[in-house]
Amino acid sequence: EPEVTQTPSHQVTQMGQEVILRCVPISNHLYFYWYRQILGQKVEFLVSFYNNEISEKSEIFDDQFSVERPDGSNFTLKIRSTKLEDSAMYFCASRSRQGAGELFFGEGSRLTVL
Amino acid sequence: RKEVEQDPGPFNVPEGATVAFNCTYSNSASQSFFWYRQDCRKEPKLLMSVYSSGNEDGRFTAQLNRASQYISLLIRDSKLSDSATYLCVVNLNSGNTPLVFGKGTRLSVIA
Repeated sequence: EPEVTQTPSHQVTQMGQEVILRCVPISNHLYFYWYRQILGQKVEFLVSFYNNEISEKSEIFDDQFSVERPDGSNFTLKIRSTKLEDSAMYFCASRSRQGAGELFFGEGSRLTVL
Repeated sequence: RKEVEQDPGPFNVPEGATVAFNCTYSNSASQSFFWYRQDCRKEPKLLMSVYSSGNEDGRFTAQLNRASQYISLLIRDSKLSDSATYLCVVNLNSGNTPLVFGKGTRLSVIA
């Protein structure tokens, strides 16, 4: 069964460091997303990406965040200068069509900022 | 007002029990509705979509009331493996709008 894969599964970093989280969406999917979930909180939308550009982003997705699809398969989330409050589980997701198409999530990358 | 509200629980029920979860959403323009399941420290996984006519999948029944902006999930004959957090999820369904998640309701099924 095709799946969304994410690396690393867990990253520990010092405050102020740059972090890149990687995702390989399902191969025929066209719409890509990053969500995050702070421990004990709800899943929150960060950004959506389609046709090689950001289609929507939330208030959380400020100038410290960026996304890229550098090579047609990977979809990356970069956090330029991490803060303590960036500690969370980051989920990549993809779907094949807009609207009601099922969203498939990766297993997540746990980021711990010290 | 929160976009998607759920009773956080936890709901602790014995095996075999029937349990119901409720959810309300604030945006009346919402078009698509889902229940996702999330196990501890795992990713959300789609349990079922919710249709206006109501729909059933085995022991699970989902209902939607657009007038009241209310969604429900009923689990019959609970199994130990049903223990998880159940997420109510709503989508405006216009273009590529993101899903909006509730905080989830935790269920523990006890032997």
